Amino acid sequence: DIQMTQSPSSLSASVGDRVTITCQASQDIDNFLNWYQQKPGTAPKLLISDASNLQAGVPSRFSGSGSATVFTFTISSLQSEDIATYYCQQYHTGLNFGGGTKVEIK
Amino acid sequence: QEQLVESGGGVVQPGKSLRLSCVASGFTFRSYAMHWVRQAPGKGLEWVATISFHGSDEFYADSVKGRFTISRDNSKNTLSLQMNSLRAEDTAVYYCARLLFSDVAAPMGPLDCWGQGTLVTVSS
Repeated sequence: DIQMTQSPSSLSASVGDRVTITCQASQDIDNFLNWYQQKPGTAPKLLISDASNLQAGVPSRFSGSGSATVFTFTISSLQSEDIATYYCQQYHTGLNFGGGTKVEIK
Repeated sequence: QEQLVESGGGVVQPGKSLRLSCVASGFTFRSYAMHWVRQAPGKGLEWVATISFHGSDEFYADSVKGRFTISRDNSKNTLSLQMNSLRAEDTAVYYCARLLFSDVAAPMGPLDCWGQGTLVTVSS
């Protein structure tokens, strides 16, 4: 099984800060990596597919990069509405999620 | 408007069964692979099961294999999850979700449309 390790598990940042989350796969998954945002009490929302493809309607301050085993998710300028938990998800072999990163406002 | 609506959750005793349903609307259901993903209280997301768009292929997480069965009725735009021999660790919100891509053989991928979830509580 492919293990997905996200870091950090939580972070606190100020509005306007650049925020970066890392997701590491236990083996090469090419670019089969997606990012989701989940706000409390709601279903996850797909933000980025295939490592770097921003979904329609998602603000351009969100971005993703990486390939093989190391991937990054970036919010270029954190906004108050970005408070959520973010998950990476691989689908190279089966489908599974990272443990999540909870983003809070400092 | 593309929509998924789950139902069937509730409180059930350990060892008992429960059947979840997910009704799709606003898109061509028969063209999309479908998934169940769950989230235990205060925990992260866990993939549970997947069914191909034609219904011929099923995939399960090891944690539910042999106990859960995913199925679909394309004539009724309905996805189902039959859950048997339930355990306390199956307690979670269960989401149905749609694969981003339509009419593709590979059923795994980004999930772009999610239901609101239905809570299953396994407790005596």
